[in-house]
Amino acid sequence: AQTVTQSQPEMSVQEAETVTLSCTYDTSENNYYLFWYKQPPSRQMILVIRQEAYKQQNATENRFSVNFQKAAKSFSLKISDSQLGDTAMYFCAFMKPLHGSGNTGKLIFGQGTTLQVKP
Amino acid sequence: EAQVTQNPRYLITVTGKKLTVTCSQNMNHEYMSWYRQDPGLGLRQIYYSMNVEVTDKGDVPEGYKVSRKEKRNFPLILESPSPNQTSLYFCASESGNLVNEQFFGPGTRLTVL
Repeated sequence: AQTVTQSQPEMSVQEAETVTLSCTYDTSENNYYLFWYKQPPSRQMILVIRQEAYKQQNATENRFSVNFQKAAKSFSLKISDSQLGDTAMYFCAFMKPLHGSGNTGKLIFGQGTTLQVKP
Repeated sequence: EAQVTQNPRYLITVTGKKLTVTCSQNMNHEYMSWYRQDPGLGLRQIYYSMNVEVTDKGDVPEGYKVSRKEKRNFPLILESPSPNQTSLYFCASESGNLVNEQFFGPGTRLTVL
């Protein structure tokens, strides 16, 4: 069974600094997807960034980037120029396509990392 | 506006009193899913549906039922709620094409006394 581990329950960073959130996963699959979701105090789940396992290039979305190490099964999130609005819980998630469909599947989440951005 | 809606957003109930949490999406998505979020455990899948009349168990289905009679709706039913079902519940939907993004509802905070 696939598992996702986030070993940092809480982190803090000064505004405008850079912070990296760690995530490791365990799978025997070769084709899968990885995600980072943000959950602010409003509790809404917001997709931050997505990585396809077959792509070697690390995904980037504005101030958010990932370091995807497939052999090490590591998927860390880097937030540059941290802003107060980045304060939230962040979840790493793994998706394996279901029933060979290739495109829909169950998200398996890590435990979450609470990030506090300090002014 | 494309969205997933859930009702109610907050619910306090007592053990054994049947309840239904509704979920509806307006994006014509085929895939829908229910998750529960508990501290230190992240989100875990309860049930999912690949299409109308097609449902299957996720990782923590005990004590829950679902139905998918229409494409847009995917209600979660607790026939006899117990305190260990106190949690934050999320409904999600996905188009099933190459996007791979699951859209989440706003969440339902359920407390079972």
